[in-house]
Amino acid sequence: EPEVTQTPSHQVTQMGQEVILRCVPISNHLYFYWYRQILGQKVEFLVSFYNNEISEKSEIFDDQFSVERPDGSNFTLKIRSTKLEDSAMYFCASSDWDSSGNTIYFGEGSWLTVV
Amino acid sequence: KQEVTQIPAALSVPEGENLVLNCSFTDSAIYNLQWFRQDPGKGLTSLLLIQSSQREQTSGRLNASLDKSSGRSTLYIAASQPGDSATYLCAVPTDSWGKLQFGAGTQVVVTP
Repeated sequence: EPEVTQTPSHQVTQMGQEVILRCVPISNHLYFYWYRQILGQKVEFLVSFYNNEISEKSEIFDDQFSVERPDGSNFTLKIRSTKLEDSAMYFCASSDWDSSGNTIYFGEGSWLTVV
Repeated sequence: KQEVTQIPAALSVPEGENLVLNCSFTDSAIYNLQWFRQDPGKGLTSLLLIQSSQREQTSGRLNASLDKSSGRSTLYIAASQPGDSATYLCAVPTDSWGKLQFGAGTQVVVTP
């Protein structure tokens, strides 16, 4: 069964460093997303991406965050200058069409620990 | 603003019992509702998606019902097994751009 794959599975970084989280969405999917889950809290939406541009972002997704689809298969989330509060599990997700009627498939997540 | 609530937060049942997990949402104008399973420290596995026009959706031992007017969905898991131990999350899209609003989840333990 096709799946969303994410790398790295776990990353420890120093405060102020840049981090890039990578994702390979399901191959025929058109919509891509990043979510995060701080330990013990709800899963939160960060950003959705369609047709090579951001279609929606949350208030969490400030200027420190950016997303990119550098080629036909990868989808990345960059955090420019990490803060302690960025420590969370980051989930990439994808769907073959918009979420009004379609299942969104999630990856296994990337644990980010900022020290 | 859509709020999604899951009660109880935790549930423990002996193997073989049926599980009943509840999800409520405040805005009944939803496109669909999705149920996920999350194992500790792992990703989200999609279990079922139930469309707003549907009342029920079934997959194997899982059955999800949806009552939009009362803002509720229930996930039934028949004949529970220890392997069903996990956290179960429900989520609704707040728009068509993939912004899902999640509940906090129900942590289930099935004891042998």
